[in-house]
Amino acid sequence: GAGVSQTPSNKVTEKGKYVELRCDPISGHTALYWYRQSLGQGPEFLIYFQGTGAADDSGLPNDRFFAVRPEGSVSTLKIQRTERGDSAVYLCASSLDLYNEQFFGPGTRLTVL
Amino acid sequence: KQEVTQIPAALSVPEGENLVLNCSFTDSAIYNLQWFRQDPGKGLTSLLLIQSSQREQTSGRLNASLDKSSGRSTLYIAASQPGDSATYLCAPDSSYKLIFGSGTRLLVRP
Repeated sequence: GAGVSQTPSNKVTEKGKYVELRCDPISGHTALYWYRQSLGQGPEFLIYFQGTGAADDSGLPNDRFFAVRPEGSVSTLKIQRTERGDSAVYLCASSLDLYNEQFFGPGTRLTVL
Repeated sequence: KQEVTQIPAALSVPEGENLVLNCSFTDSAIYNLQWFRQDPGKGLTSLLLIQSSQREQTSGRLNASLDKSSGRSTLYIAASQPGDSATYLCAPDSSYKLIFGSGTRLLVRP
């Protein structure tokens, strides 16, 4: 079956611009997670959704970052006033429910010039 | 705060060797632990998930063990192949969010 998909695969933007990153989870998975991975490091947790609501957004670095999941399926990570330090690979994962195996998408590589 | 350490950071072995990757974590209050592989420029592929009540999990040539009380997990790869070359990441699940180490970069030489 189809896995987690993310679009775009690559995004290059200029400092100060707004970007949106999209995640399509595995059908039927209620839990959705966003992580960020910098070069040479393991992924870091950003935010977690159970259904439509953000159950834990403690990993978002600041208020320029925001994520939504309005219908409990697709999620969008939004970054305002991008900075060069936001450059990273943004990974999305989904799981059937809490504490189940998490399946990751291929990621979106964000480059802020 | 959960911290995860993976040793070694990098490993280069000839094809056919059996090898062990180590993972340690500071907070033993975990629900499960996942092992992943990541190929360069790609996302993460889940290899194994061990529930906190389990001691071991096996999939093909891979065997992962978990000692929750001591904060350790190991991934054993039998009869390594060049196709096993990748970065291996362990991630304990602390309150549903995965906490990752920096991984072990494995190179299996033909």
